[in-house]
Amino acid sequence: GDSVTQMQGQVTLSEDDFLFINCTYSTTWYPTLFWYVQYPGEGPQLLLKVTTANNKGISRGFEATYDKRTTSFHLQKASVQESDSAVYYCVRPFPPMPNYNVLYFGSGTKLTVEP
Amino acid sequence: NTKITQSPRYLILGRANKSLECEQHLGHNAMYWYKQSAEKPPELMFLYNLKQLIRNETVPSRFIPECPDSSKLLLHISAVDPEDSAVYFCASSQEINRETNERLFFGHGTKLSVL
Repeated sequence: GDSVTQMQGQVTLSEDDFLFINCTYSTTWYPTLFWYVQYPGEGPQLLLKVTTANNKGISRGFEATYDKRTTSFHLQKASVQESDSAVYYCVRPFPPMPNYNVLYFGSGTKLTVEP
Repeated sequence: NTKITQSPRYLILGRANKSLECEQHLGHNAMYWYKQSAEKPPELMFLYNLKQLIRNETVPSRFIPECPDSSKLLLHISAVDPEDSAVYFCASSQEINRETNERLFFGHGTKLSVL
């Protein structure tokens, strides 16, 4: 069925490293895709969204391209900081029926950035 | 995020009854309860729109939601089970219709620990 898959459970980097978090999706239609970030002790918050296939979303130095050909929505950042340590969720709407604003969260990738 | 307040922040229970409270100061129409177990992504429990229960996922009957007005959401829990230990997040969005691709705003959560 329709889903998102994040294979990386944990990623550990040093400050100024390049970040790449993998997300692939399976779908029979092309919804809006989101990345949500959850800092320790807080609720998830929207990082970026892309509403149209083959477009790119950019926010706070993070970017993700909705690639219809490869069915991927990978998250990237050129240079991470310690403050980026958090859990990153690839998110999509629930399947099409019914037509409500309900989110399905991927399994999450825990990013730890060491000083 | 002080625009969605949840109380209490921490709750430790034996087999007792308790209620979780949420209030949003954003003027949103849709409100949600999500459950996040340890090391897991958030999962939808209930969805309300303008005080009406719209979606009720497979949740044990000991969880009873209530929406006394469009800005408040309650979650009554009776005879908690150890499997109920989790963080319960309240969230809201401006509209319920997915066509608008509304972002969800989450509160800080209530961490429930069942003894």
